[in-house]
Amino acid sequence: DGGITQSPKYLFRKEGQNVTLSCEQNLNHDAMYWYRQDPGQGLRLIYYSQIVNDFQKGDIAEGYSVSREKKESFPLTVTSAQKNPTAFYLCASTPQFQNTEAFFGQGTRLTVV
Amino acid sequence: QQQVKQSPQSLIVQKGGISIINCAYENTAFDYFPWYQQFPGKGPALLIAIRPDVSEKKEGRFTISFNKSAKQFSLHIMDSQPGDSATYFCAATSRAILTGGGNKLTFGTGTQLKVEL
Repeated sequence: DGGITQSPKYLFRKEGQNVTLSCEQNLNHDAMYWYRQDPGQGLRLIYYSQIVNDFQKGDIAEGYSVSREKKESFPLTVTSAQKNPTAFYLCASTPQFQNTEAFFGQGTRLTVV
Repeated sequence: QQQVKQSPQSLIVQKGGISIINCAYENTAFDYFPWYQQFPGKGPALLIAIRPDVSEKKEGRFTISFNKSAKQFSLHIMDSQPGDSATYFCAATSRAILTGGGNKLTFGTGTQLKVEL
């Protein structure tokens, strides 16, 4: 079945650590996105990538980094510079330059301990 | 800068009633307006979407009403059921081919719907 797989589902991070969230898609979509979800704030865009080896900052990129070495993969690293990383992180993908459905993964809940 | 404003933040409806969620946007370049449904602990899933060349789109119990001049669109859930209890997000996007903006969605803040028996 085609879709987006995020892992892990739950992740715990100690203060000062970097952690990487995985996102893989087999939909052959060109564009991929990372959103952060906090209660009452909706989904806020962290980074997006329209094509391999290219990515752009979203609205809240500070403290995060990404890479897009393969079309299928768009990992997100939450660095120690992110002051409040506890949140639900969602990865999504869409075909390039087509306003059609965005497919989301099941999310990763990150908690700082 | 919030480009899509959604209301209400939460909504309680009796079973069989009509649920109405409203959104307003600012960017006139938006040309695709989807609604997403999200259950706790899951990713959002597309519910229904509309393009600005029509004023209404209906799929089963779900209807989007679109008012281009007012820059507003709304979701109506007819005969609401307890299984409809979820968080609903409106969103908007534009092709923005020339500026390279791609297809990124701008989301509203979400409405938590609870349908009571």
